[in-house]
Amino acid sequence: EPEVTQTPSHQVTQMGQEVILRCVPISNHLYFYWYRQILGQKVEFLVSFYNNEISEKSEIFDDQFSVERPDGSNFTLKIRSTKLEDSAMYFCASSDSASAQPQHFGDGTRLSIL
Amino acid sequence: RKEVEQDPGPFNVPEGATVAFNCTYSNSASQSFFWYRQDCRKEPKLLMSVYSSGNEDGRFTAQLNRASQYISLLIRDSKLSDSATYLCVVSGGYNKLIFGAGTRLAVHP
Repeated sequence: EPEVTQTPSHQVTQMGQEVILRCVPISNHLYFYWYRQILGQKVEFLVSFYNNEISEKSEIFDDQFSVERPDGSNFTLKIRSTKLEDSAMYFCASSDSASAQPQHFGDGTRLSIL
Repeated sequence: RKEVEQDPGPFNVPEGATVAFNCTYSNSASQSFFWYRQDCRKEPKLLMSVYSSGNEDGRFTAQLNRASQYISLLIRDSKLSDSATYLCVVSGGYNKLIFGAGTRLAVHP
């Protein structure tokens, strides 16, 4: 069964440093998403991406965050200047259409900010 | 009011038991509904979509009541492997998912 893959599985970074989280969505999917889950809390939407542009973003997704699809397969989330509160599990997801179709999640990147 | 509200549990049940989870959502315009399961420190995995007419997948039955903005999941004949957190998920806006905080299930021998 096709799956969403994410790298790295764990990233440890000093506060203030830039970090890039990588995702390879399912190959025929057109809609891509990032979510995060702070330890012990619920999964929260960050951003959705379609047709090479952001279609929706949450208030968490401020100017420190950006997303990019640099080639036909990768989808990245960049945090420009990390803060302690950015420590969380970051999940990438993809779907083959909007709305009614379920999203398939990668196994996540655990981001630890020191 | 929370966008998606679930009883956090935990539900501790013996193998073979039937257990029911409930969920309410606040946005009456939501169009799509799902149950995901999440094992400890793992990604959410789709369990089933939820349709207005109700739907069943093996031991799992999901119901949706749009008028009451209420979703349920019934698990029959619980297995040890069903132990996980069950996430009620609702579409919000065009294509984002809104997650409940989850209901933890522990099935014991």
